[in-house]
Parts: sequence; structure tokens; C-alpha cells
Amino acid sequence: QVQLQESGPGLAKPSETLSLTCTVSGYSISNNNYWGWIRQPPGKGLEWIGSIFHSGSSYYNPSLKSRVTMSVDTSKNQLSLRLSSVTAADTALYYCARRIQLGTWFYFDTWGQGTLVSVSS
Amino acid sequence: QSALTQPASVSGSPGQSITISCTGTSSDVGGYNYVSWYQQHPGKAPKLMIYDVSKRPSGVSYRFSGSKSGNTASLTISGLQAEDEADYFCSSYRSSDTWVFGGGTKLTVL
Repeated sequence: QVQLQESGPGLAKPSETLSLTCTVSGYSISNNNYWGWIRQPPGKGLEWIGSIFHSGSSYYNPSLKSRVTMSVDTSKNQLSLRLSSVTAADTALYYCARRIQLGTWFYFDTWGQGTLVSVSS
Repeated sequence: QSALTQPASVSGSPGQSITISCTGTSSDVGGYNYVSWYQQHPGKAPKLMIYDVSKRPSGVSYRFSGSKSGNTASLTISGLQAEDEADYFCSSYRSSDTWVFGGGTKLTVL
């Protein structure tokens, strides 16, 4: 059974770089599918941050692209997210998710529990 | 403001049917049949309920169904049950390998 677990510091200061890790168990991160990061500000909707393949091929939300870096560590079966120059608007619950093909396209079928990040001085 | 527009809340009594709408544009919902719906209970991870507009993953109740007309997708829950009370989010593929989500709809079972 595939499981995803996000981790990282719960607090970040404005202008700093936020770093999060997603550890995948029960499934190889090197399998033929993408992985994604999605966030949810308190009381608000979901926002797709980006998706990455184990080779490093990635796609980012245009609104965040200049500040986002995603990477994969296949030896540890982990994904990483770095978001630079954070502001209070980046305060959110951050999820990692597996993207697989279902039917005719690709969907995020399995999600982690999320990790809350607050940006405050 | 979320990319896809959903009503903030809907409600219904047990046994009734409800429908949640999700309005986008011709660049996402209207342009592709790649709409999905997620259910999220408080403090839990989102659960995929519908994909490809109207298909259900294994294990999801037949009471959940999806449809689309133009730029608007819809999720219908029939035979409403107390356990259906949750937040529901729609999502759509948008060109150039990007995804967009809705703002979420809180379903209250009266």
C-alpha cells in the first residue's frame, strides 16, 4: 500500500526559502509516473504547485515558477520542494501526491496527510 | 481566487440528491475531459472520487457521479448519507501540463 508522508519545519520567516520533503513508502518513486505538490491555504481551496518525474523532468505552476524548485532522491525514495522568498501568502498545508494514469489521463490518486507551514517573522 | 469556481456550500437531507458545480473556461474544464473530484474530511487527505469527468475509482460508491456541459462540470451525490458531509474539490487539466483546482464546496448533511 503506497503511503506518502510530508515533513519539514512548521515555521518560516518572510524572504526565506522553505524546504519540504515527501517520503514515499510501499511504492518505488522510480516507477513510470509523476509526483506532485499541492498546497491549501487555511480555509481556502487547493493550488497545484508542480509535478516532477523521477528523471527530474518537471512542470510548475506559472504563478510560482520563479520561486519553485522540485527534486527527487531515488536512493531515499523521497521528493523535495523548495520555495524561495516566502511571504505570508505562502502559509498553507502542503501536500505531496502520486500522479498515475487512470482512464484516459493522469490524476493525483494518493495523497499524504500534509504538513502545515506558517510564514511569520 | 481559485482558478475554478465552486459554490462555497451546499446542503441536503439524508436520502436526497445534491449537485455541486465547477465552472472553468475553455482552456481547462471546457477544453478537456480531464476533470476530477476529491472528497476531503476534516484533517484528512483528499480522496479521489471521480476522474475523466464521470468515472469512479474502484471502491467509490455508485452514489457519486460526474458530468460536464461546456465549461461547467458537476458532481452529483444521490441518496445522501451523513458520512458524505465533507469538503469537495474539483480539478481540471489545463494546457502545458498544468492543473487547476476549485475553491472547494462544503457539503452539510442536515
